[in-house]
Amino acid sequence: AQTVTQSQPEMSVQEAETVTLSCTYDTSESDYYLFWYKQPPSRQMILVIRQEAYKQQNATENRFSVNFQKAAKSFSLKISDSQLGDAAMYFCACYYNQGGKLIFGQGTELSVKP
Amino acid sequence: DAGVTQSPTHLIKTRGQHVTLRCSPISGHKSVSWYQQVLGQGPQFIFQYYEKEERGRGNFPDRFSARQFPNYSSELNVNALLLGDSALYLCASSLAFPGPYEQYFGPGTRLTVT
Repeated sequence: AQTVTQSQPEMSVQEAETVTLSCTYDTSESDYYLFWYKQPPSRQMILVIRQEAYKQQNATENRFSVNFQKAAKSFSLKISDSQLGDAAMYFCACYYNQGGKLIFGQGTELSVKP
Repeated sequence: DAGVTQSPTHLIKTRGQHVTLRCSPISGHKSVSWYQQVLGQGPQFIFQYYEKEERGRGNFPDRFSARQFPNYSSELNVNALLLGDSALYLCASSLAFPGPYEQYFGPGTRLTVT
């Protein structure tokens, strides 16, 4: 079974501090890609960052970076210099070419304290 | 350029009724996917369409069906509505298939079944 697990239902961070959101996945597929999406209260799902499973180098996108541990099937998101606008639900997701399906985790609600 | 658009924004239906949700992809995108997001959970994959053909299907009953039109827009149909079908239905478009092309999400349609 293809599953994505986010073990932190809620996280909180002080403005300007750093926070790490955890994600693990389980798959026997070799052809897959990993994503972090952000869903603010407005409901619009926005892509934050992506990681190709065949790449060893961790992806970085401005203040957002990932720690991809393929053997451990772990894919965490680090947000540096947190801003009030980062407050949202964050979803980890795994994309499988076979069937073109994007499998999402349960989400982590991030709050940012001023 | 306009993003992914979905209509209607909100919908209230009664058990046993039928509903049709609509999605228009980003111009130039040929693949459309549908997801169901129950409150408090991550989105669940329902269908993917590319070039008017179904390319992937999630674990949903036959009451759920979809189609894609020559202009690449798509409809999701749900028959014999149940209370458990109440959810946010998300449409996402991407350039093509197969491949982990980025999926751009629409704002969703909130369906309430009473």
